[in-house]
Amino acid sequence: EAGVAQSPRYKIIEKRQSVAFWCNPISGHATLYWYQQILGQGPKLLIQFQNNGVVDDSQLPKDRFSAERLKGVDSTLKIQPAKLEDSAVYLCASSLEGQGVNEQYFGPGTRLTVT
Amino acid sequence: AQSVAQPEDQVNVAEGNPLTVKCTYSVSGNPYLFWYVQYPNRGLQFLLKYITGDNLVKGSYGFEAEFNKSQTSFHLKKPSALVSDSALYFCAVRDMGRRALTFGSGTRLQVQP
Repeated sequence: EAGVAQSPRYKIIEKRQSVAFWCNPISGHATLYWYQQILGQGPKLLIQFQNNGVVDDSQLPKDRFSAERLKGVDSTLKIQPAKLEDSAVYLCASSLEGQGVNEQYFGPGTRLTVT
Repeated sequence: AQSVAQPEDQVNVAEGNPLTVKCTYSVSGNPYLFWYVQYPNRGLQFLLKYITGDNLVKGSYGFEAEFNKSQTSFHLKKPSALVSDSALYFCAVRDMGRRALTFGSGTRLQVQP
């Protein structure tokens, strides 16, 4: 089965510019997550979708970050305007939620450098 | 709020020796615990999980983890380390209400030949 796909893999922008990341989860996975992983730290949840609805966005900096999951499949995460501290790897993950506790499958991530 | 602590930034072990990567957690209620591994320039790969039942959980690549409720720990173990096990290891926890994971800061495992 195909894994979680993310693009681009790398992105370099200047501060105050905008950037968007794309994620295609594993087919059939209803739950999609975006995590931010700053160098030397563990991933931190930004937003969680169940189908096309937001379940948890409590840690998303909503003044500059936005995300959507139209039609409950692909998702896009946007930063506008970017700050230096947004430099990180942005990980997308998906899971098959239903009965039981299912592990999350992660994509390769997008490494963002803000200069 | 739930949290995870990985007290060691790095663990060094010789190939063929047993390895342990430590993890302690804090969560309200019963925890769901996970271990993930991250290789350079790649996403996180699932190793194993504890939900309920037997305190010793077996996972991928010969790894296992021991759940200890009284010590709130979930240490990752392997009887005989391989050089190819060298990577960054993350412990994570979720409570029964949330599905999102809270990760520790990671432990870098270096296996020397």
